[in-house]
Formats: sequence, C-alpha cells, structure tokens
Amino acid sequence: GENVEQHPSTLSVQEGDSAVIKCTYSDSASNYFPWYKQELGKRPQLIIDIRSNVGEKKDQRIAVTLNKTAKHFSLHITETQPEDSAVYFCAALNSGGSNYKLTFGKGTLLTVNP
Amino acid sequence: SAVISQKPSRDICQRGTSLTIQCQVDSQVTMMFWYRQQPGQSLTLIATANQGSEATYESGFVIDKFPISRPNLTFSTLTVSNMSPEDSSIYLCSVASNRGSNYGYTFGSGTRLTVV
Repeated sequence: GENVEQHPSTLSVQEGDSAVIKCTYSDSASNYFPWYKQELGKRPQLIIDIRSNVGEKKDQRIAVTLNKTAKHFSLHITETQPEDSAVYFCAALNSGGSNYKLTFGKGTLLTVNP
Repeated sequence: SAVISQKPSRDICQRGTSLTIQCQVDSQVTMMFWYRQQPGQSLTLIATANQGSEATYESGFVIDKFPISRPNLTFSTLTVSNMSPEDSSIYLCSVASNRGSNYGYTFGSGTRLTVV
C-alpha cells in the first residue's frame, strides 16, 4: 500500500518568512495530492491540492510543487502570518484504484512567531 | 464542497459501553470514510462506509468493535463498542465528492471521545 513520509515534524519561523514542508510517497500510481491544515481542536481543512499532470499550483501565499520522478511534493507558504500556525498534513491518493483512500503523512506543526 | 454534520461533538463514556456517532451530509456522496485521530497524531483510516453493503475495514480494525452503517448516500454511523480507555480519541467522518478533476475530501467536525 501507499506510504507517505512528511518532514519536518515541527517547524518554527518568524512572521514574514517562508515555510516549506516536504512529503514523499511510495506508490507511483498515486495521482492526487492534497494538503490539509488543522487548527487546534478543529477539523482538517483542505487548503490546496495538485494532480499528477501538473508540476506546480499556486493560490495566493500558498503553493504546492510535485516531482513525479522523485515521488515527492512540497507545500510552500510565503509571507507567513501568525494565523498560519497549525498542523499541516499531506496526503496521497490513487484515484485509478478501487478504494479512493487517502494516505496521510504524520503532520507538521508549524509555529509562526510574531 | 459537501457540508457535513457530525454528532455528538464530544462525549465521556464508561468503559464497557458503546457510543454511536452520526454523520449527515447535505448532498449525496459516493464515498464516506471514518477516521480516528489520537492526540497529536495523524489521521488513521478505520473503514470505508459502503452504501448497501458491509463496510471495508483497514488492518487492525474489525466490524465487531467498530460496526458501521450506511443506509443511504447522505448518512452513516460508526459505533465504538465495548469501549476501553484506549478508545479515547477523536473520530471523524469524511466524504469525497468528485468535483471534476478534484476530489474534495471534506471532514466532519469530529467527535471527541473520552472513555473513563
């Protein structure tokens, strides 16, 4: 089955700096890669996703890059703000499979210091 | 994306009892899932709730402990049976709606379960 590794487990940055979180996946058939943000005590919220036919996707201060050859994808947050502080999870899915199950990384606790 | 109503939001239960968690979606969805999230941990898939047939369980989870119902395309329940303190966790339902090229997996607000 799919295995998703996520690094780092914790990340502390100063407000205004950039933050990068990296994930690798094992199943070359995976073709959908979402990122979720989970604030303390709340549900995971989808913040951006990318499919395997695209190398990069951007939404305001958030971008995701995908390298299919190396089987890794990354979340980039620019101009970080204190409200970006949360746990971020990457995930991978093989939409051509029969079960449509998301496999999650272990999460990254991002702290943005004012 | 789909709007999910999950209840109860939290409960404190005695060991040996059972708790049923409900998940109601505002639109018909093909895929519904149940996850467990232990404190400070990632999301672990318990099972896929299949409409009209038995749920598909992941390794380490069994139907006797976590019976699931899915009577239609908008509703599902997860029961945590014969609870022990080790079952204390957050339980979340999730649905997938195919929005063209995206899959839009959405989560319910979760049920925080404490077993005493």
